[in-house]
Amino acid sequence: DTGVSQDPRHKITKRGQNVTFRCDPISEHNRLYWYRQTLGQGPEFLTYFQNEAQLEKSRLLSDRFSAERPKGSFSTLEIQRTEQGDSAMYLCASSQSTSGIYNEQFFGPGTRLTVL
Amino acid sequence: DAKTTQPPSMDCAEGRAANLPCNHSTISGNEYVYWYRQIHSQGPQYIIHGLKNNETNEMASLIITEDRKSSTLILPHATLRDTAVYYCIAPPPNAGNNRKLIWGLGTSLAVNP
Repeated sequence: DTGVSQDPRHKITKRGQNVTFRCDPISEHNRLYWYRQTLGQGPEFLTYFQNEAQLEKSRLLSDRFSAERPKGSFSTLEIQRTEQGDSAMYLCASSQSTSGIYNEQFFGPGTRLTVL
Repeated sequence: DAKTTQPPSMDCAEGRAANLPCNHSTISGNEYVYWYRQIHSQGPQYIIHGLKNNETNEMASLIITEDRKSSTLILPHATLRDTAVYYCIAPPPNAGNNRKLIWGLGTSLAVNP
């Protein structure tokens, strides 16, 4: 399967612990996005990479959150000192940029985080 | 930010057409309207997008009003597998080149046998 993959699919952790999620985008896609979704809400934009450069971060992304895309391929999202309010589905999406034209974003299945 | 308004829920009988409306009266002249859907416990799935003209693909048709203030997504023959939350998205005018998506609450479509 050549779609977007995310690992793990589920993560349960205790408050105060650090967690890291991984996203593998579609191989030829240069753009990668992270979103967060809580129950009953639409996804919320967190951050965006073009190749290895992180070009935008939402105000939702507190200093406990950090994202990387070291070689412009896979990306990691780390949450330090997790809080119960961090419990959500974390979605990764990728797309191929084309100047002046929007390209659809392909989403992974998400990582569901539960902070106890 | 360009905002969209959708009914929170709709029902449709299996085999019938599902028409999902969306108001996006603040959309700027050069921004596309996009539709995604999210089946329970899965990541969102792209359906279709359009600018001014009506669009059709293998999944759905998109009808955009001439003033571009609203659109309707049409699933011509809804099946049970079309039960999902459908999101209409209009990127904000200041989205720039990153094309981040701003999501509302969407319409929860229930296709009934």
